[in-house]
Amino acid sequence: QSALTQPASVSGSPGQSITISCTGTTSDVGVYYYVSWYQQRPGKAPKLMIYDVSNRPSGISNRFSGSKSGNTASLIISDLQPEDEADFYCGSYTSSSTWVFGGGTKLTVL
Amino acid sequence: QITLKESGPALVKPTQTLTLTCTFSGFSLSTSGVGVGWIRQAPGKALEWLALIYWNDNERYSPSVKSSLTITKDTSKNQVVLRMTSMGPEDTGTYYCARRGCIGGSCYNSFDYWGQGILVTVSS
Repeated sequence: QSALTQPASVSGSPGQSITISCTGTTSDVGVYYYVSWYQQRPGKAPKLMIYDVSNRPSGISNRFSGSKSGNTASLIISDLQPEDEADFYCGSYTSSSTWVFGGGTKLTVL
Repeated sequence: QITLKESGPALVKPTQTLTLTCTFSGFSLSTSGVGVGWIRQAPGKALEWLALIYWNDNERYSPSVKSSLTITKDTSKNQVVLRMTSMGPEDTGTYYCARRGCIGGSCYNSFDYWGQGILVTVSS
């Protein structure tokens, strides 16, 4: 299984909205609604931000939202804040009952 | 409070076998739907899912490393062990254990709690 495809970097100014895409195949992103998103700050463990495409765990700001169309999922961060600067990874359950992650996207808040 | 913590050697030699232990608290691996997985991250690189074991002893492995991995659990000790044979320099990285996400009485195909990670270096 190949890693999901994410842009290497995205940037935005405080208050703006940004979108991070995550492209897979009909064997992972496209087959189930089991896409999740993780935020990772330097030297820290990943943190679950979105599960099942668009659901937020308790305590996650509603500025974070997710969607999916076909083989591509998206993480949308609205009202960008300086503390949002981090690496973001998408993950997907696959038709082989395994998991696969994306290559990661570095978000820079200008 | 749910916590997970990885333990094991910080340094292994090439060709050796790595054994990592994930000790967790705040949930039970005998509860239906629960699973604990291992994910690694090479320095400066992306996350890579390795393996997961379910409450019912079902094991899943990444196809790319399946032949070198074994995951087991000891429910009474609240531990999950990952064994990785024939270690090479390319296996250097931080290894995380994480719980398959469960919210309320339902479990989801995501990872909601993670350990702090353990850095493993493969070098002679």
